Amino acid sequence: GENVEQHPSTLSVQEGDSAVIKCTYSDSASNYFPWYKQELGKGPQLIIDIRSNVGEKKDQRIAVTLNKTAKHFSLHITETQPEDSAVYFCAASTGSGGGADGLTFGKGTHLIIQP
Amino acid sequence: KAGVTQTPRYLIKTRGQQVTLSCSPISGHRSVSWYQQTPGQGLQFLFEYFSETQRNKGNFPGRFSGRQFSNSRSEMNVSTLELGDSALYLCASSLLQGIYEQYFGPGTRLTVT
Repeated sequence: GENVEQHPSTLSVQEGDSAVIKCTYSDSASNYFPWYKQELGKGPQLIIDIRSNVGEKKDQRIAVTLNKTAKHFSLHITETQPEDSAVYFCAASTGSGGGADGLTFGKGTHLIIQP
Repeated sequence: KAGVTQTPRYLIKTRGQQVTLSCSPISGHRSVSWYQQTPGQGLQFLFEYFSETQRNKGNFPGRFSGRQFSNSRSEMNVSTLELGDSALYLCASSLLQGIYEQYFGPGTRLTVT
């Protein structure tokens, strides 16, 4: 089955700086890569996603890049703000509605924004 | 539009008991997936339901089961609870099977003692 590795497990950045979280996946058939943000006591919130036919996608301060050849994708957050502090998860899927194995998640990155 | 709702939010059960968790998807969404979240294993896929049929299943024992009703609401059941079943159980809904975006509910925190 699919395996998703996520790094780093903890990332501390100064407010206003950029943050980058990286993930690699193992199954070349994966074609959908969402990113979720989870705050304490809440469920994961979809913040951005990318499909395998696209190399980059932006939404205001958030961007995701995908390198299919290397099988890795990254989340970039610019001009970080205190409210960006949370746990971020990457995921991969090989098929429709989540696929045969559903979404396969990375272990998460605890992003800490230092004031 | 209301988000995914899950009930109950918190639950304490004893080993050997069974438990049923409920999920109401976003209005108009017809696919419901369930995930288990633990500190050690992270987020793991349990199963997915669409049109009242289980379409996909993760690598969990048969003690974990689910169903979906005609109004797309879903329930999951865990029988013969074990201490290791203590986790946050998350439900996610999608518009259709084949549409990838999944939106999660707040989860049900299950504690098995």
